[in-house]
Amino acid sequence: HLQESGPGLVKPSATLSLTCSVSGDSIYPYYWSWIRQPPGKGLEWIGYVFYTGSTKFNPSLKSRVTMSVDTSKSQFSLKMTSVTAADTAIYYCAGAVGETADVQEWGQGTLVTVS
Amino acid sequence: QSVLTQPSSASGTSGQRVIISCSGSNSNIGSTYVYWYQQFPGTAPRLLIYRNNQRPSGVPDRFSGSKSGTSASLAISGLRSEDEANYYCAAWDDSLSGVVFGGGTKLAVL
Repeated sequence: HLQESGPGLVKPSATLSLTCSVSGDSIYPYYWSWIRQPPGKGLEWIGYVFYTGSTKFNPSLKSRVTMSVDTSKSQFSLKMTSVTAADTAIYYCAGAVGETADVQEWGQGTLVTVS
Repeated sequence: QSVLTQPSSASGTSGQRVIISCSGSNSNIGSTYVYWYQQFPGTAPRLLIYRNNQRPSGVPDRFSGSKSGTSASLAISGLRSEDEANYYCAAWDDSLSGVVFGGGTKLAVL
């Protein structure tokens, strides 16, 4: 079970910060990912963080995104800097099997509005 | 503009068979597995097909996936009203070193 938490409203040019809490599953086997979906649009992969702390990001967002993992708390986090209205979306935390598109676990999603 | 190309919409009548296509390139579909996701309005996507043609437990065998070269397709047979949803294909892209999605196909059951 995955649960996103964080502010639902962020001001333009500010930093978006979200945390995902993992329960019922070990923090270890998955590549913990963030995927977003602008209202009425399709899915966009933001990136992943592995339990070792290694990361990989969407090239189009790489300059603005950092991710971290706290294995002691079974949590992982997303930070996105310099947000604009184009970053308004439902943000899903998710668990993928390896460096693949095999996303087996999804949070319910949280709407973040930049305004 | 999505890296993987899907039709924006598809439709069929109850009981019919519908096929949703997904087109990519050698750096994604042509070299890796394809995955399909089903998403109902207001809910998170759920994995429908993995590794081109495998169904997770709980997914009816009415859903099937296939891949050929740089294209893939999702077939839904015996169409039912509860199949009305958005469907997304996805794959790892070796050039981008990340996951790419199709733009999604909205399926209507007439």
